Amino acid sequence: AQTVTQSQPEMSVQEAETVTLSCTYDTSENNYYLFWYKQPPSRQMILVIRQEAYKQQNATENRFSVNFQKAAKSFSLKISDSQLGDTAMYFCAFAGTASKLTFGTGTRLQVTL
Amino acid sequence: KAGVTQTPRYLIKTRGQQVTLSCSPISGHRSVSWYQQTPGQGLQFLFEYFSETQRNKGNFPGRFSGRQFSNSRSEMNVSTLELGDSALYLCASSFRLAGGLAGELFFGEGSRLTVL
Repeated sequence: AQTVTQSQPEMSVQEAETVTLSCTYDTSENNYYLFWYKQPPSRQMILVIRQEAYKQQNATENRFSVNFQKAAKSFSLKISDSQLGDTAMYFCAFAGTASKLTFGTGTRLQVTL
Repeated sequence: KAGVTQTPRYLIKTRGQQVTLSCSPISGHRSVSWYQQTPGQGLQFLFEYFSETQRNKGNFPGRFSGRQFSNSRSEMNVSTLELGDSALYLCASSFRLAGGLAGELFFGEGSRLTVL
């Protein structure tokens, strides 16, 4: 069974600064996908960024980028130039051959002025 | 394009009752997955339906069931409610079977169930 661990329950960052959220996972599968989802307060969860395990290049989406270390089973999210709208719960998720996502416990990110 | 719609958004039930939650996926999406979100257990997979067939099921008791209709709309039912069933129930749709996951899951806003 796959597990996803997010060791930072809460984090805070000032507006315009950079923050990195950590995620580690465990799996015996070789082909899989990793995701970061964002859940703003009382709003729906949306996909932030996706990484395919067979791609060595780290995924980037505007201010969001990942550091994917396959051997270490690490998948961190870097948010650059943080904005107030980035305040949310961030979930790391794993998808392998099974027809489901396995989520971490989430990191609550607060962006302050 | 309309997003994933879940109804009702909020509901309160008492122990022993049953509840039915509804999910309308994005037009053209054939896969609907259900997740339970609680502060203690986080997000846990309930089941996935694709083309009216259950393709995968999470580790939940038989009180939790679901179905999908020919228009891809899905319902989940929880019978004999327990206090621990209080949670946010999230529905997500995708074009392909989620296990392939070349595409992303689109989530609804959830149905918040409180069991008293």
